[in-house]
Amino acid sequence: GAGVSQSPSNKVTEKGKDVELRCDPISGHTALYWYRQRLGQGLEFLIYFQGNSAPDKSGLPSDRFSAERTGESVSTLTIQRTQQEDSAVYLCASTARPAETQYFGPGTRLLVL
Amino acid sequence: AQSVTQLDSQVPVFEEAPVELRCNYSSSVSVYLFWYVQYPNQGLQLLLKYLSGSTLVKGINGFEAEFNKSQTSFHLRKPSVHISDTAEYFCASSGGAGSYQLTFGKGTKLSVIP
Repeated sequence: GAGVSQSPSNKVTEKGKDVELRCDPISGHTALYWYRQRLGQGLEFLIYFQGNSAPDKSGLPSDRFSAERTGESVSTLTIQRTQQEDSAVYLCASTARPAETQYFGPGTRLLVL
Repeated sequence: AQSVTQLDSQVPVFEEAPVELRCNYSSSVSVYLFWYVQYPNQGLQLLLKYLSGSTLVKGINGFEAEFNKSQTSFHLRKPSVHISDTAEYFCASSGGAGSYQLTFGKGTKLSVIP
């Protein structure tokens, strides 16, 4: 596609519910990243996928967070039993090669009530 | 581990005045440096990047940045700002070729005053 797309653009959920966020990277980009941006903060790295290699999950804040990617296409970030501190913008980015420019999607704004 | 410090959380500046947004990074054998801009309710967009070569890097929208290895800095400058430059600016670093993780600063909110 023309750019990285994410859905939904906004999500409001109740504490304790599970949510699933989706990212469609740029076609042909082998690397995909998830970041979290809390209000007034910088970007926190969550997880990185590169081709068929095992993902780097070192940034995931707890075992309630998980992510999957099918080949070099769509990725989903799942947050189980959401908490209020999970409220943030979740950004996805893709790149053709490591250390190259990352292209960001518009983000999903998650609000946990 | 890499770290990036943006010294100013907010920078107000009058329209057509010059601006400098400061960024310092932790030292590494090799490092790639980036500036991204985030307009309200949008994702991040690359302004410019330093990979190697000339230490003065020119980017989009009239911005430029200078890589200073001795001071471990990568400050962003624009000689004359416009209202449309109002946005949040993020400095980021990666550990060079083969490194896949970007480390971001906390961001600087640039407000251009008419």
